[in-house]
Amino acid sequence: VHLEESGGGVVQPGTSVRLSCAASGFSFNNYGMHWVRQAPGKGLEWVAVIWFDGSSKYYAGSVRGRFTISRDNAQNILYLEMNSLRAEDTAVYYCARDNTGLRSYLEYWGQGTLVTVSS
Amino acid sequence: QSVLTQPPSVSAAPGQKVTISCSGTTSNIGSNYVSWYQQLPGTAPKLLIYDNTKRPSGIPDRFSGSRSGTSATLGITGLQTGDEADYYCVTWDLSLSAEVFGGGTKLTVL
Repeated sequence: VHLEESGGGVVQPGTSVRLSCAASGFSFNNYGMHWVRQAPGKGLEWVAVIWFDGSSKYYAGSVRGRFTISRDNAQNILYLEMNSLRAEDTAVYYCARDNTGLRSYLEYWGQGTLVTVSS
Repeated sequence: QSVLTQPPSVSAAPGQKVTISCSGTTSNIGSNYVSWYQQLPGTAPKLLIYDNTKRPSGIPDRFSGSRSGTSATLGITGLQTGDEADYYCVTWDLSLSAEVFGGGTKLTVL
């Protein structure tokens, strides 16, 4: 199992960015996928989960309405579209594979991509 | 403020045992399985315990988990300096319809 995040960088407040997570080594379309973030020097914060077929999505209250999780099962890629970015969204963003097609526990993690929201 | 409550830090000597608590409510720990994650400095988190008590392959039996009511506990025996890390408990919260993390506990092996 390999998960590789990309798309991070320095972005201005109020703008948008899309993160990607390229998955390999397993049948991507069989598993739920999560995004989890970690602000500098802080703890882990769950962001969102999407079921194996994209039929259900759930979000943390802090990002609901601004972030959108999606997936391309043909390309084995997970996305996180982040809009109306704020300074408090600055964090390392990890993608993680669930143990099931829905949500159970976060079995495998990527190495993360850093998003810095700053003017 | 995290939905799940963990002590900010714990410490013990090499070879000793330590426990890390995770306190929640009937809406989360009381209703769903708990998992635990280890995050070594500068690295991504790693699954340690799932379904309250189970260890993934490759995780030594020095690590154990338990759940009682609305609380869960991670135990680590035979402490090693390599166990110094941040530890997080996680579960699903029915009221929030969201995965919730504890605030994390920093383990220091003195």
